Amino acid sequence: QQQVKQSPQSLIVQKGGISIINCAYENTAFDYFPWYQQFPGKGPALLIAIRPDVSEKKEGRFTISFNKSAKQFSLHIMDSQPGDSATYFCAARIYGQNFVFGPGTRLSVLP
Amino acid sequence: NAGVTQTPKFRVLKTGQSMTLLCAQDMNHEYMYWYRQDPGMGLRLIHYSVGEGTTAKGEVPDGYNVSRLKKQNFLLGLESAAPSQTSVYFCASSYGRNTDTQYFGPGTRLTVL
Repeated sequence: QQQVKQSPQSLIVQKGGISIINCAYENTAFDYFPWYQQFPGKGPALLIAIRPDVSEKKEGRFTISFNKSAKQFSLHIMDSQPGDSATYFCAARIYGQNFVFGPGTRLSVLP
Repeated sequence: NAGVTQTPKFRVLKTGQSMTLLCAQDMNHEYMYWYRQDPGMGLRLIHYSVGEGTTAKGEVPDGYNVSRLKKQNFLLGLESAAPSQTSVYFCASSYGRNTDTQYFGPGTRLTVL
């Protein structure tokens, strides 16, 4: 199954709060899981990524948690800021093949 | 270093008209991709190219054609536009297929009336 499911579709968080976006997949052959951030009117840009041999990766306020047995991974944004307001896409890739993207989550961080 | 650029930024077409979207990258990347982005659908791959002179079909290729005559350019053509092709189109490039990062252009918003 070459599909990545993503939830929620939209998310509203207060400034300083934690934003959590979840993704799930079926194909255990996926070996790379990036998150892309897209601001209005711009193209997506790689934010953070993880491989299935680790359970967590942190870069500043952004953390990916990976649960291989549940075939789920999530993006956590700590101390969310209005500047984080964007659409976030999870994705997955099998080595040697093209990326599959989730449908996206629109995050709004209220000041 | 401009990265990935796309022209035009906006375009309105009537049903049946044709047009070409241009993507250019200055990073000497081998791989280039065309995606369409629709609400609630994420990014879907239309066509891609693994090098100059090569093209391949992605997930949703029908109604589109592509050409990669030069390494730095990747063209997406619509021969007879349909309202279902109203979308935002993104070009991306990467050094190789197994390179982790794809670099995206700013997008072209196309409306077909």
